[in-house]
Amino acid sequence: GQNIDQPTEMTATEGAIVQINCTYQTSGFNGLFWYQQHAGEAPTFLSYNVLDGLEEKGRFSSFLSRSKGYSYLLLKELQMKDSASYLCAVGLRYGNKLVFGAGTILRVKS
Amino acid sequence: SQTIHQWPATLVQPVGSPLSLECTVEGTSNPNLYWYRQAAGRGLQLLFYSVGIGQISSEVPQNLSASRPQDRQFILSSKKLLLSDSGFYLCAWSRSHSTDTQYFGPGTRLTVL
Repeated sequence: GQNIDQPTEMTATEGAIVQINCTYQTSGFNGLFWYQQHAGEAPTFLSYNVLDGLEEKGRFSSFLSRSKGYSYLLLKELQMKDSASYLCAVGLRYGNKLVFGAGTILRVKS
Repeated sequence: SQTIHQWPATLVQPVGSPLSLECTVEGTSNPNLYWYRQAAGRGLQLLFYSVGIGQISSEVPQNLSASRPQDRQFILSSKKLLLSDSGFYLCAWSRSHSTDTQYFGPGTRLTVL
């Protein structure tokens, strides 16, 4: 089976840096995805890691360690608009599917 | 570029009534298509996915069904809605033959009363 764990909620201050962790246990791993979902809206794609290491994309970076079953999303220079739920998802090698974690609600305060 | 549409945006239905939600994708051919449900404050639950016309895989036993009558059209249906069917229904697409990034439609918020 598959299991994905993320913290339920986090709070951070505007301008700060926050790291959202995700641990997973899956069979047939084929990539790790991060999505952002604002309240009442659909998820939007943020990043994809298939190899170990850090992928940087502007203020957002994502890291993957396949041997540890661990990923994190790093958000720098936090803005109020970054308040959202962040979903970690694992791609499965068989079946063309993603398995989603429950999401981490990030609250950015001024 | 590719776009994905869903309608209606919101729907309020009585218990026991039928349901039909539609999803269409533009700008790509032979996509993988997915239906998810998200209950309030919860994660995404995969309901159905399709790799081609007429090919449907069901992930969770329930009173919902899905159909793919055309390459870029995906329909979610029910004959009789239950209260527990309330939620945010999301359609997504990805490129075929791979575990690729999924792109979501705007969603349909369904309330069953």
